[in-house]
Amino acid sequence: DTAVSQTPKYLVTQMGNDKSIKCEQNLGHDTMYWYKQDSKKFLKIMFSYNNKELIINETVPNRFSPKSPDKAHLNLHINSLELGDSAVYFCASSLTSEDSEQYFGPGTRLTVT
Amino acid sequence: GQNIDQPTEMTATEGAIVQINCTYQTSGFNGLFWYQQHAGEAPTFLSYNVLDGLEEKGRFSSFLSRSKGYSYLLLKELQMKDSASYLCAVKSPYTNAGKSTFGDGTTLTVKP
Repeated sequence: DTAVSQTPKYLVTQMGNDKSIKCEQNLGHDTMYWYKQDSKKFLKIMFSYNNKELIINETVPNRFSPKSPDKAHLNLHINSLELGDSAVYFCASSLTSEDSEQYFGPGTRLTVT
Repeated sequence: GQNIDQPTEMTATEGAIVQINCTYQTSGFNGLFWYQQHAGEAPTFLSYNVLDGLEEKGRFSSFLSRSKGYSYLLLKELQMKDSASYLCAVKSPYTNAGKSTFGDGTTLTVKP
């Protein structure tokens, strides 16, 4: 019954590695998002997809590449991980891109050593 | 650009009322949200204001003044479980979608 799910919940990896985080929503929403929350709890949007189409692409290093195989899934691939990538990554969804309420996944805590 | 200001921390007593303020300066405005985030958990939606005035939802109310770039979240009859971070977010026009920019959050501690 989980509305927005992410895997893995925790990810510990070394600098230079490539890793992926997966997100799925079963709410039938059209729009999905990736946010990064750093150690100071600042929540910043990275990407947004609407019906598999990229609609928001913030100033994020090219090492981050989102992929949406269908509107229920939005994955985030990160190449050449750096120490500064350590953060909690939240996936979220909303009914439409104009909709007010976003539903957040449980988050993926990424630690780069 | 986007600039959203909230107090970093607040402390209040169980049973009391607390008001968390949020001021914003943004390029465009499509609405203001409040989210609650308990430590180690995901943010959860509390309220959305797009027109001026007060929106009440149980113990929580949210107020908006667009002309002043100001909002507040009012929590009544505080409970220990209300200890959390409260995030103010402003939605602004962004190409064909609305983009939400979050403030740094206000950490509320409720004491017995």
